[in-house]
Parts: sequence; structure tokens; C-alpha cells
Amino acid sequence: EIVLTQSPATLSLSPGERATLSCRASQSLSPSSLAWYRQKPGQPPTLLIYNEFERATGIPARFSGSGSGTDFTLIISSLEPEDFAVYYCQHRGGWFRTFGQGTKVEIK
Amino acid sequence: QVHLMESGGGVVQPGRSLRLSCAASGFTFSTYGMHWVRQAPGKGLEWVAIISADGSAKHYADSVKGRFTVSRDNSKNTLYLEMNSPTTEDTALYYCVKEEKIGYYFDYWGQGTLVTVSS
Repeated sequence: EIVLTQSPATLSLSPGERATLSCRASQSLSPSSLAWYRQKPGQPPTLLIYNEFERATGIPARFSGSGSGTDFTLIISSLEPEDFAVYYCQHRGGWFRTFGQGTKVEIK
Repeated sequence: QVHLMESGGGVVQPGRSLRLSCAASGFTFSTYGMHWVRQAPGKGLEWVAIISADGSAKHYADSVKGRFTVSRDNSKNTLYLEMNSPTTEDTALYYCVKEEKIGYYFDYWGQGTLVTVSS
């Protein structure tokens, strides 16, 4: 079973700053199997990035994803007010799905 | 547009059964795999189950395997989750989720239905 570990648990930043979120897998992942979601308070998650680096429809360019093997990164180049939320990485392994425990991006 | 509406949540006693439903609209339901994902209060996301487009394949998280059953009725555009022998650990907001066909990621989510397991 693949375990995804996200770090840090909480990131305290100001609007306009750059956010770097990490997702580490317990074993090497196949290419095109990792996604990132943003969950605003009281709302279901929204797909941001799929296949490690592809932006989902309508997602602005300030979001970028990278990584391979066991280490993956989500970068938000300049935080907007709506970006203060919780972010989850997610792996697709065959039929099964796994989420990381989440990183909360809060206003400093 | 795509719309997913969960129902059936509420308070259930440990060991009793509960069936959740998800009414889908705005897309060709019978051609997409569907999932249930849950979120305990104040906690992260946990994948629960998947059912293939035609209902022939079903897979579960270890935490619910043998207790929960996912099903669908493509003639009614409805997804179900039968929860048997629930425990307090199953208390969560249950989301109905559609997967997309490129990478099979989650592209649309319902608003969720809250299940509270309590005596």
C-alpha cells in the first residue's frame, strides 16, 4: 500500500508570497498517476493538477506541479486570497486511490 | 452542467445499516466510473470505493471492505453506498465523486451527505 506524506502540515504565508508544498510517496510512483486538489473551507475539493504537472481546466497559471518517483511538489507562485485553503495530493494506483493527509496554507 | 446530489445521511446506531444515494445529472452517467470519498470532521480525505461505468467492477478501501457495498443504477443515473455494521470510525461527510476519462482523477464532487454513527 502506497502512503503519501505531505509537508509541511501548515504553511503560514502572506498574500503575494510563493508557496511550496511537498508530497512524498512511500514507494516510487508510475508516471502520470499523481494529482493535487485544493479544498476551501466548507466546500468539496477542486482538481488543480493531474499527471504530476498538467493544469486542470480553468486553473490559473500560478499553480504548477512537478516531480517524479517519490517526490512531488506543488508551487503557487503568488498567493491570492482564495488560495488560503487545504491542499491534498492524490495517487491513482490501478483501481485504488490514496490521499495525502493535507497541507493547510494559512494567512500569516 | 455536471451535478451530483448526495442524500441518505443522518444519525445511525452502531451496527445498523444505512444507504446513501447520489443523483447525477449533466453528463452521460453510464459511461463514467464513480467513487465515494469521505471526510471525518476536521480531518483529511479518505477514498472509500469505486464502481466501474457498467457496474461490473467494484473495489474498496481496506477500512470498509466487507462492510460497505457500492452499486449503481444507470437507468436512474444514481450511485449508492450501502453501509452495513457501521462504527463510530465511519462518522464522516460522504462525497459522491465522478472520475474523468484521461487520468481517471476526480473532476466533479457533490456537496456531501453527513453520516454520524452514534448510540
